[in-house]
Amino acid sequence: DAKTTQPNSMESNEEEPVHLPCNHSTISGTDYIHWYRQLPSQGPEYVIHGLTSNVNNRMASLAIAEDRKSSTLILHRATLRDAAVYYCIPRRSNYQLIWGAGTKLIIKP
Amino acid sequence: DADVTQTPRNRITKTGKRIMLECSQTKGHDRMYWYRQDPGLGLRLIYYSFDVKDINKGEISDGYSVSRQAQAKFSLSLESAIPNQTALYFCATSEPGDTGELFFGEGSRLTVL
Repeated sequence: DAKTTQPNSMESNEEEPVHLPCNHSTISGTDYIHWYRQLPSQGPEYVIHGLTSNVNNRMASLAIAEDRKSSTLILHRATLRDAAVYYCIPRRSNYQLIWGAGTKLIIKP
Repeated sequence: DADVTQTPRNRITKTGKRIMLECSQTKGHDRMYWYRQDPGLGLRLIYYSFDVKDINKGEISDGYSVSRQAQAKFSLSLESAIPNQTALYFCATSEPGDTGELFFGEGSRLTVL
């Protein structure tokens, strides 16, 4: 199974962009890259996923390296409500999700 | 109302007691999951079910059992609770397919004394 490496924590100022990195050098060619986040005292929630191309949705953008060994989740304008633990998860199928410890994102007002 | 509802939200019990955590969903999904989260760690899969007649063990199923009573209901049981089962438990659902988004409940915090 693909393993991931994420910073333990990151800080950002409110209303500034945030770039959350993830290394997944052992990812296979068919593993999608998923990002979830977990707000305090809540269950995880889906953020975005992609395979090879960069992806955008209303919450974030996902930039995937050409060799697929790393990806970056981009929050274009962070708010206090974006303070959460962000998980980068290479995924082939639901039951093969391997969750790491994630990155704790701290937003400073 | 939440799409995925877990009960109880908090439970304190003693070693050796039988505990059941219940999960119900209004998403209409066939796939349901039980995860465990320990402090500072990611989630680990306990059991998953792709439909009422299909139940499978995850990576940490020892000491746990499940029951899929209906498409909408998936229960997790600890037959004889032990202190190292103290954790936060999450139920989730998803649509079929390898990229289906997971929808999580708010969690059930279990403390075993």
